[in-house]
Amino acid sequence: QVQLQQSGPGLVKPSQTLSLTCAISGDSVSSNSAAWNWVRRSPSRGLEWLGRTYYRSKWHNDYAVSVKSRITINPDTSKNQFSLQLNSVTPEDTAVYYCARSSGYMDVWGKGTTVTVSS
Amino acid sequence: QSVLTQPPSASGTPGQRVTISCSGSSSNFGSNYVYWYQHLPGTAPKLLIYRNNQRPSGVPDRFSGSKSGTSASLAISGLRSEDEADYYCAAWDDSLSGWVFGGGTKLTVL
Repeated sequence: QVQLQQSGPGLVKPSQTLSLTCAISGDSVSSNSAAWNWVRRSPSRGLEWLGRTYYRSKWHNDYAVSVKSRITINPDTSKNQFSLQLNSVTPEDTAVYYCARSSGYMDVWGKGTTVTVSS
Repeated sequence: QSVLTQPPSASGTPGQRVTISCSGSSSNFGSNYVYWYQHLPGTAPKLLIYRNNQRPSGVPDRFSGSKSGTSASLAISGLRSEDEADYYCAAWDDSLSGWVFGGGTKLTVL
């Protein structure tokens, strides 16, 4: 059974970097059939896909246009996990952040991390 | 504004049938499957329907999905109080090279 365990701070100051990690059990971040996603939910935007990383002979990333200039998603094969970095955050980035596996579609989700951007 | 369009709210009484619509475009619904998620505050989104009309194991057959052209719908029959939640449609968008969601529909069971 695939499980995703999220970790990271719940409070980030404006202009700083939001960093979250998603540890994978029951699957591999290097899987040739899965992708590893970050999604957030905010009251104003609902569910919003942020981006993904996946391995198909080499590593690939796709990012949402809305955050493309500020986001990095990296795999960590040594720890079987992947991470989210979102730079230059503002209060608009306050949301519940989820990691999710997609194997054709997003079927396994982490429990979510509430991140508040405030000084 | 979301790429996929859903009504912000829907309601029904216990036992009723409720339908939630979702409208897309040729770059998402035109060539890709539609998915539906149920989301309760404080929990992870739950996959209700995949590939337009397929139910994962454990999802009651009260939930059904359909797609026609660039529109899709989720139907819930025999409405129950525990169905009160937010419902989101989703699809892969070829133009954006990413997943897109609807704005969400808040279902109230009266």
